Formats: sequence, structure tokens, C-alpha cells
Amino acid sequence: AQRVTQPEKLLSVFKGAPVELKCNYSYSGSPELFWYVQYSRQRLQLLLRHISRESIKGFTADLNKGETSFHLKKPFAQEEDSAMYYCALMYNFNKFYFGSGTKLNVKP
Amino acid sequence: DVKVTQSSRYLVKRTGEKVFLECVQDMDHENMFWYRQDPGLGLRLIYFSYDVKMKEKGDIPEGYSVSREKKERFSLILESASTNQTSMYLCASSPAGTDYEQYFGPGTRLTVT
Repeated sequence: AQRVTQPEKLLSVFKGAPVELKCNYSYSGSPELFWYVQYSRQRLQLLLRHISRESIKGFTADLNKGETSFHLKKPFAQEEDSAMYYCALMYNFNKFYFGSGTKLNVKP
Repeated sequence: DVKVTQSSRYLVKRTGEKVFLECVQDMDHENMFWYRQDPGLGLRLIYFSYDVKMKEKGDIPEGYSVSREKKERFSLILESASTNQTSMYLCASSPAGTDYEQYFGPGTRLTVT
């Protein structure tokens, strides 16, 4: 069965510090992984997907199949990065399994 | 700009009532989804529809049903609401093909008393 684990419920860092939000997955097929973000009082929205290998708002995420991980990283956190972050795994063609989420709090 | 709207932002219902949550998208997307979002549990897929009148169960379909009579509209039905169905309900849509990005609605916070 597919599974996504985000071990940290809350992550607090100071502005300018590096940040890494952890995501581990379990899936027997070839994984398609995503990070979604929900800012305060806004809709959930796509941040990035592993197949595009792009950097969005300074965030990157690398798929590590050996460690079955898809951690989200940013070298210098900004206060506006404070939000709820969800890692998601696509399975069975267009069905998604979301992790439990990590709340990132960037302190000034 | 993709728009997904949900019929109510807040809803309060009594135990045993039949509840309808409506979702409409204006981007001609084939796929539509209903999730519930609970603290500490993240988003859990209730039902998924990949075409008109087509549906698939998600991870937690018990106590829910869905209806998709038109492409742009996907309804979630709670046949007999219970207190453990108090939650935030999110609707999403996505196009067919290889663009898997889901576009989410603002959510409906349902309280069952």
C-alpha cells in the first residue's frame, strides 16, 4: 500500500536559516511526488513536482529512490514561507495520497 | 485563471441530516476530487471522479456518496451526518493527461452537532 510520512508536525526556524521539510514515501510502483503549500487563509496550491525538477520560491526537492525520500529544502528561509506544507504521492493514475503535513514557522 | 468554487464556506448540520456539498470548476477538467482535511491527519481522499457519472472510492468513502451529472459539478453527499464527519472538506479538480496539478477550492468547514 502507498504511504507518505511527514515526521515533523511543526518546524520552527529563524529567518535566513536553512530549512528542510522531510517526506518519506512507500510505494511499489514508480513514484510521482509533489509538494503542496497552504498559506494562512489561502487555498492549497501546488508548490513543485519532482518530474519538473524546478525551483519555486527558492524551494527545491530531490527524489531519492534509494532512501524513498522527497525532502523539501530552502537555503534561506523567509517569513513569508510560513505555511502548512504537504507532501503528496500520486498512485493509480491521478489519485493522490497526502502526508499529514508540516507547519513551517519562520521567526523574524 | 482556474477557479474551483464550493457552495458553502461554513455549514452547521444536525446528526442524522442529509448533507450536500457542492463543487464547481470552470476549467473543463476531467478529474474531480473530494478530500477531508483534519489536523494531524492531513488530506484524505474520499472519492474521485474521472468523468461524468464515473467515480472511484478513495481511502475513506464510508458514510459518503458522490454525484457527477455534469462535467463541471461534483457533489459530496453525507446520507446521515454524524459528529465524526465534522471536518474541513476540500474539493479539487485536475485535467486529464500528464498535467497532474490539482486545483483546490476554498474548503467547506462542516460542523455536525
